[in-house]
Amino acid sequence: DGGITQSPKYLFRKEGQNVTLSCEQNLNHDAMYWYRQDPGQGLRLIYYSQIVNDFQKGDIAEGYSVSREKKESFPLTVTSAQKNPTAFYLCASSIGTSGLYNEQFFGPGTRLTVL
Amino acid sequence: KQEVTQIPAALSVPEGENLVLNCSFTDSAIYNLQWFRQDPGKGLTSLLLIQSSQREQTSGRLNASLDKSSGRSTLYIAASQPGDSATYLCAVLTDSWGKFQFGAGTQVVVTP
Repeated sequence: DGGITQSPKYLFRKEGQNVTLSCEQNLNHDAMYWYRQDPGQGLRLIYYSQIVNDFQKGDIAEGYSVSREKKESFPLTVTSAQKNPTAFYLCASSIGTSGLYNEQFFGPGTRLTVL
Repeated sequence: KQEVTQIPAALSVPEGENLVLNCSFTDSAIYNLQWFRQDPGKGLTSLLLIQSSQREQTSGRLNASLDKSSGRSTLYIAASQPGDSATYLCAVLTDSWGKFQFGAGTQVVVTP
């Protein structure tokens, strides 16, 4: 089955700790994204990547970092600099080209809670 | 900057009624518009993709229309069922490679 997997499903972080959220896709998509979702708000873009070894900051990148060493993988690190990280994190991917047909697909999400 | 709005934020309908969900956007220069469904604590599931050159798209009980000139899209769900209870989000594609702008969603409850 083609799709996007995220792990872990739940993650707890202590103050001052860095944590890494995993995102893997087997859809052969070029573009991958990380979003943050807070209650009552739409999705906000953290980082996105169009190709391997390249990524761009989204609207709320402060306190987060990413890497894109493989086409299939786009891990997100939530650093201690992120002051309010408790949220639901969603990873997505899309073909990345041919704008009209560019459809986004999502993983199941990771819920991060700060203790 | 593109802004996407979904009103109302929540609605409740009795089973069997047709659902009408609205999505508006400020910049008509979009490549496509996508409707999603999100169940509590889950990821987003793609429902329909409407390309900018299309006026509507249909899948089963779902029909989505797009009017770029007025910056609006409407998702119709016919003969609603309790299983349709979820949050529905729309997103517009503003860059050819794939930068999407999302609305905050409409939370729908279908009562038996």
